[in-house]
Amino acid sequence: EVQLVQSGAEVKEPGESLKISCKASRYTFTNYWINWVRQMPGKGLEWMGSIYPGDSDTRYSPSFQGQVTISVDKSISTAYLQWSSLKASDTAIYYCARQGGSSWLNWFDPWGQGTLVTVSS
Amino acid sequence: QSVLTQPPSVSGAPGQRVTISCTGSSFNIGAGFDVYWYQQVPGTAPKLLIYDNNSRPSGVPERFSGSKSGTSASLAITGLQTEDEADYYCQSYDNSLSGFWVFGGGTKLTVL
Repeated sequence: EVQLVQSGAEVKEPGESLKISCKASRYTFTNYWINWVRQMPGKGLEWMGSIYPGDSDTRYSPSFQGQVTISVDKSISTAYLQWSSLKASDTAIYYCARQGGSSWLNWFDPWGQGTLVTVSS
Repeated sequence: QSVLTQPPSVSGAPGQRVTISCTGSSFNIGAGFDVYWYQQVPGTAPKLLIYDNNSRPSGVPERFSGSKSGTSASLAITGLQTEDEADYYCQSYDNSLSGFWVFGGGTKLTVL
């Protein structure tokens, strides 16, 4: 069974940097897009961006362009989402999700378990 | 404001049928892009419920069905069960300036 396992919850102060991870297993990592999705407290799902591990082609939502960086390490089948300077408004659960098929226009499945990021002074 | 519009909440008694609408535009659903539906039980990650407008992944009960027409899509749940109480999200692809993948705002289903 395809699996995405995310790193644990983080508590950070405003201005700090952070990199969270999403480790994939039981499929060919380089062949499927990985997406990052934000869910703020009590709110809905927001697509942040996607990366194709095969060639690191990365696409960002205009809302998140310049605010976060998405990357991968193919050698360990892991995708990352990072911030250089966190804000309180970055407090949310962040999910990674694989594209269901090998092309860009496909559903998201499966999803990781989510990483809760809390930014507070 | 979400690019895809869903009702904030719907409710129904056990055994009843409910539908959840998802209204888009000519930039997404109306442009022919497929619609996907996800179920999110509180405290858990979203789970794929419907893909390609009306297909169910293995393991999803036949009680769940999807449809699409014009710039809108719908999720229908028949024979409501208490475990269906969750948030439901539609998703599609958008080729306007609003971004690529877009989600509806989510609908909270309450089973009375």
